[in-house]
Amino acid sequence: ETGVTQTPRHLVMGMTNKKSLKCEQHLGHNAMYWYKQSAKKPLELMFVYNFKEQTENNSVPSRFSPECPNSSHLFLHLHTLQPEDSALYLCASSQDYTSTDTQYFGPGTRLTVL
Amino acid sequence: GQNIDQPTEMTATEGAIVQINCTYQTSGFNGLFWYQQHAGEAPTFLSYNVLDGLEEKGRFSSFLSRSKGYSYLLLKELQMKDSASYLCAVRDNRDYKLSFGAGTTVTVRA
Repeated sequence: ETGVTQTPRHLVMGMTNKKSLKCEQHLGHNAMYWYKQSAKKPLELMFVYNFKEQTENNSVPSRFSPECPNSSHLFLHLHTLQPEDSALYLCASSQDYTSTDTQYFGPGTRLTVL
Repeated sequence: GQNIDQPTEMTATEGAIVQINCTYQTSGFNGLFWYQQHAGEAPTFLSYNVLDGLEEKGRFSSFLSRSKGYSYLLLKELQMKDSASYLCAVRDNRDYKLSFGAGTTVTVRA
């Protein structure tokens, strides 16, 4: 596997469910990101981890909980979500947070909250 | 923060040229990126501009004017596979965050 992978690709959940999104990068990068992409809206940065430390929480509701056990893996734990949380959730990685290199994106998880 | 503005949709004919404009307002500029995103797929990196001028990469070119807060992505010799959303993103020089525009959906017609 190369690049950035995300699982699952599609997820449907009820408002009372708990689920987790997984991201893995095989690029040797040290920074990982979660973005939310809603239809016709700009990508919104949610969380940033740099060398496994959370450096950014962009005013995200506590029903979203990130976890970064090592530089290659990133999780987004979901609980008691709302229908307006339905979106494409994209993971990305870069060499490190301050690097001028581009961010590399995974294919995303399409989340539907019923 | 940044305000990024780009057109919502553009349509062009196969073999033609299309120019996607992006304007931004920023309190601290540290580079501008263009990404291509096909429906249901990951955004992929196309170009990066940090100095004024034109960067050419095959059929795609990107231009930047920092004084005008303006960039464009030029797609030449359009192919059907170029039908996608094109995202403009600006990096802030204080917190290194990328701020994205809403994307321009380009449709290439035969």
